[in-house]
Order: sequence, then structure tokens, then C-alpha cells
Amino acid sequence: AQKVTQAQTEISVVEKEDVTLDCVYETRDTTYYLFWYKQPPSGELVFLIRRNSFDEQNEISGRYSWNFQKSTSSFNFTITASQVVDSAVYFCALSEAVNRDDKIIFGKGTRLHILP
Amino acid sequence: DAGVIQSPRHEVTEMGQEVTLRCKPISGHDYLFWYRQTMMRGLELLIYFNNNVPIDDSGMPEDRFSAKMPNASFSTLKIQPSEPRDSAVYFCASSLGGTSGRSDTQYFGPGTRLTVL
Repeated sequence: AQKVTQAQTEISVVEKEDVTLDCVYETRDTTYYLFWYKQPPSGELVFLIRRNSFDEQNEISGRYSWNFQKSTSSFNFTITASQVVDSAVYFCALSEAVNRDDKIIFGKGTRLHILP
Repeated sequence: DAGVIQSPRHEVTEMGQEVTLRCKPISGHDYLFWYRQTMMRGLELLIYFNNNVPIDDSGMPEDRFSAKMPNASFSTLKIQPSEPRDSAVYFCASSLGGTSGRSDTQYFGPGTRLTVL
């Protein structure tokens, strides 16, 4: 069965520090997709990234970077030089491409506080 | 381009009343999903449609909940009768079908915050 674990429930860092949000997943499929979403205090869910299981290259987008490691079934998210606007709940999610049910399974989320 | 549109953004109702939440997916998207988010249970998938057809409603809590998608640009989630435990934020999301189909990125609407007194 597919499962996503975000062990860090809540993290607080001071502005300008780097922070890494952990995501560990479980799947039996060889083809799958991983996602990160951001939910700021305003409540909407914002798509950040989608990664397929055949692409293990790390991704960088501005201050955001993602480290995908199949060997450890992890898809961690790092924010460099954090800013107060990064304060949000971040969700990691998994979808099995050959699964029967087309669903995305979300982790419980990590609440990130960036302190000024 | 317009994203997923949901209405109303906030709904306050009394127990026993009927509640209807509305969603307009992104044009051209073949999949539509309804989620519920609460502090206790996190983000739960309630039901999803492919080309207007309900595919999986196993997440619908009980018979009081129903969802329809009469056409490609409109879906409703109805709760009748509503109960205080239905209070939550309800999100609608849509995604493309096609060859990458099933695991395509879901784009979420702003949500409807429902309060049942």
C-alpha cells in the first residue's frame, strides 16, 4: 500500500536559516510520482513540484530545492535562506502511476514557522 | 488562466440544513476531485470524477454526502442533512487526463470553509 510519512509535525527556524522538510514514502510500484504542495495561512493549496520515479536528479527553483533518493525512499525539500513568507504547512504526496485508483496520497503535513 | 473556482468561500449553516458546495474545474481538465480537510484527519479524498463520471466515492463519509458532475465545467458536493462534525474546509481540485493521465498534477481551488452550528 502507498504511504507518505512526514515525521516533522512542526518546525520553527529564524529567518535566513536553511530548513529541510523530510518526506518518506512507501510504494510497491516502480513507476510513481511525488509532489510537494504549500498551504500558506490564507488556506489555499499551492502546487510546488512533481517528480516521477525515473528522474532522480535534484531540482532547484530559486531558494527551493528537492532531493529525491530512491535508495532511501525519500523526497526531501530544502528552503535556503528562509523568509517569513515561507511560513506555511507543506505537504508531500505520492501517486502510483500504474495503480488502479488514480489517487494522490498526502502526508500529514509539516507546519513551518519562519521567525523574524 | 482561471484556476479552479469554488463557491461559496465561506458557509455557515445550522444543523439539519442542506449545504451545496460548487466547483468549476480548470478548462480542459478531465479529472475532478473533492477533498475535506480537518485538523484531526488532515486532507481526505472524498470522491473523484473522470470525464464527468464518478470513479471512486469510497471516501464519502456517509449517505448524507452526495456529489454530481453534470458537465465538464461544473460539480457539486451536497450534504443533507448537515451535522456539526461536517465542519471543515472542502477543496475541489482538477487535473489533466491523457497519457500521463492518472498521476498528473492536481490544482486546487481556494476551498470552502463550512461551519455547521
